Amino acid sequence: DAGITQSPRHKVTETGTPVTLRCHQTENHRYMYWYRQDPGHGLRLIHYSYGVKDTDKGEVSDGYSVSRSKTEDFLLTLESATSSQTSVYFCAIRLAATYEQYFGPGTRLTVT
Amino acid sequence: DQQVKQNSPSLSVQEGRISILNCDYTNSMFDYFLWYKKYPAEGPTFLISISSIKDKNEDGRFTVFLNKSAKHLSLHIVPSQPGDSAVYFCAASIAGGTSYGKLTFGQGTILTVHP
Repeated sequence: DAGITQSPRHKVTETGTPVTLRCHQTENHRYMYWYRQDPGHGLRLIHYSYGVKDTDKGEVSDGYSVSRSKTEDFLLTLESATSSQTSVYFCAIRLAATYEQYFGPGTRLTVT
Repeated sequence: DQQVKQNSPSLSVQEGRISILNCDYTNSMFDYFLWYKKYPAEGPTFLISISSIKDKNEDGRFTVFLNKSAKHLSLHIVPSQPGDSAVYFCAASIAGGTSYGKLTFGQGTILTVHP
């Protein structure tokens, strides 16, 4: 358990509304990541952060933005949700000096 | 372009026998590989990893083999137990600071171990 929580755990929203998902960690890890999991695609990287205010795009970043104003929180925002963003979203941290990432419990997002 | 591929969507094994999960990659820059296990409604959990300087890494019932020339890795679980039933993902990373430890995942293989 790497002390990662995600909120909300479940959310249903309508097309066109903004949505923010929160990832919170308690162990001061520098690196944080957001992935989405979809059938047939495994996990795909959306955005990642390598420090406070330091973020970059991943493989599937279109339609998503992130912010990291303090070490413990990494926020993922869908500016205007679309049905294609219905997915399960996972946050992860990476231990320093390793390549191992540890994941939060996930947020199931449904866009109707 | 799927750089990491798990070509078997599912695998069914009898309890006590060996489970072999396979993974292929195309990017020769990958030099660190990991396996994750995922139960429904939970996040993936790290199982075992291997660096490209090795061809085998063992941890209890789990062994990962890496064949760099074939760009292929496999996870062996011996003996398989019903509690091993889950989705297994392989993942790959490029070493070095500019990669920031990003992982590229395969599509996953559903393992079912029958009692």
